[in-house]
Amino acid sequence: QQQVKQSPQSLIVQKGGISIINCAYENTAFDYFPWYQQFPGKGPALLIAIRPDVSEKKEGRFTISFNKSAKQFSLHIMDSQPGDSATYFCAASKTSYDKVIFGPGTSLSVIP
Amino acid sequence: DARVTQTPRHKVTEMGQEVTMRCQPILGHNTVFWYRQTMMQGLELLAYFRNRAPLDDSGMPKDRFSAEMPDATLATLKIQPSEPRDSAVYFCASGLSAGPGNEKLFFGSGTQLSVL
Repeated sequence: QQQVKQSPQSLIVQKGGISIINCAYENTAFDYFPWYQQFPGKGPALLIAIRPDVSEKKEGRFTISFNKSAKQFSLHIMDSQPGDSATYFCAASKTSYDKVIFGPGTSLSVIP
Repeated sequence: DARVTQTPRHKVTEMGQEVTMRCQPILGHNTVFWYRQTMMQGLELLAYFRNRAPLDDSGMPKDRFSAEMPDATLATLKIQPSEPRDSAVYFCASGLSAGPGNEKLFFGSGTQLSVL
């Protein structure tokens, strides 16, 4: 049962542009929503995360927007750079239970 | 620089052979996860341990897969017998158990398994 949906599957963005990846979840018990970044040959690494008590969190060029009523959240990468080219996974978990459910991933390519 | 260590990095084996993958979690972490990554399924959770006790292995094919934590510094994932459909990258991740601020997972670099 896929509890976290993610789109698009792949994304090509011009350098300097905005990359947007969207996710939706089903389980209203989830209370922690991280984004992980994965480069080829490496394991995923935490990029940024948000809790449902805030609607937006920004860290540098990366912003998470969260819509609790719609059960959706998205990652925005401003001024996208070729070094941002990677696979991005949204995820969800319950703080009271450690299991993390990942979305299917989005392959981002930032072209010069 | 604390990191999760996985061995081997690459494994090529023939169908029917036993495969053992090892993981050394970050010292002090008490949760360990095994994930399998494929193009078709993405990151699938196979098993999850807290304080060395298995809490959830519902994602793991029980007939051929087994996961254990012999001690706090070692987690193992075994496949016996292996099949071509097991070909994937297997990741181990560790973290600190439940509580605000402890949700971050630290992933190893994975074991690339190819079953011929």
